[in-house]
Amino acid sequence: AQTVTQSQPEMSVQEAETVTLSCTYDTSENNYYLFWYKQPPSRQMILVIRQEAYKQQNATENRFSVNFQKAAKSFSLKISDSQLGDTAMYFCAFMTVAGYALNFGKGTSLLVTP
Amino acid sequence: DVKVTQSSRYLVKRTGEKVFLECVQDMDHENMFWYRQDPGLGLRLIYFSYDVKMKEKGDIPEGYSVSREKKERFSLILESASTNQTSMYLCASSPGSPINTGELFFGEGSRLTVL
Repeated sequence: AQTVTQSQPEMSVQEAETVTLSCTYDTSENNYYLFWYKQPPSRQMILVIRQEAYKQQNATENRFSVNFQKAAKSFSLKISDSQLGDTAMYFCAFMTVAGYALNFGKGTSLLVTP
Repeated sequence: DVKVTQSSRYLVKRTGEKVFLECVQDMDHENMFWYRQDPGLGLRLIYFSYDVKMKEKGDIPEGYSVSREKKERFSLILESASTNQTSMYLCASSPGSPINTGELFFGEGSRLTVL
């Protein structure tokens, strides 16, 4: 079974600063997908960024980028120029290529302060 | 716009009651999922369905059942609610292969309290 570990239950960052959220995973698969999802307070979960394991290039989406280290089984999320609207729970998730469902980590609660 | 609708945002039920949580998606997705979200535990998969009338157990299926009679609707059933089923329940959907990229589309959640 694949496991996803987020070692930082809570983090805080000041507006306009950069923050990095950590995620490690365990799998014997060679090809898979990794995701970061965002859940704002009292709002629905949305996809932030997605990475395919066979792609060496790190995925980026505007202010969000990942550092994907396949050998180390590490998948961290960097948020640049943090904004108040980035305050949310962030979940790292894993899915095998042949799979249907995602395995989620326990989440990191990020607070962006003025 | 993609939409997953969960019928109830908040429910309060008594121990032993039968509880139905309904989820409808309007994206013609093959796959539908029920997750449970608890503080400090993240999201845990209860059941999923990859086609009408098909269902697969997730990591924590005990005490739950599901029904998928139509493609757009996926119901979660608690046959006899217990206090340890007090939680946030999230429904999600995704397209089937070959276009499945793994992205899940979530509903707003149903917060269930069992007294």
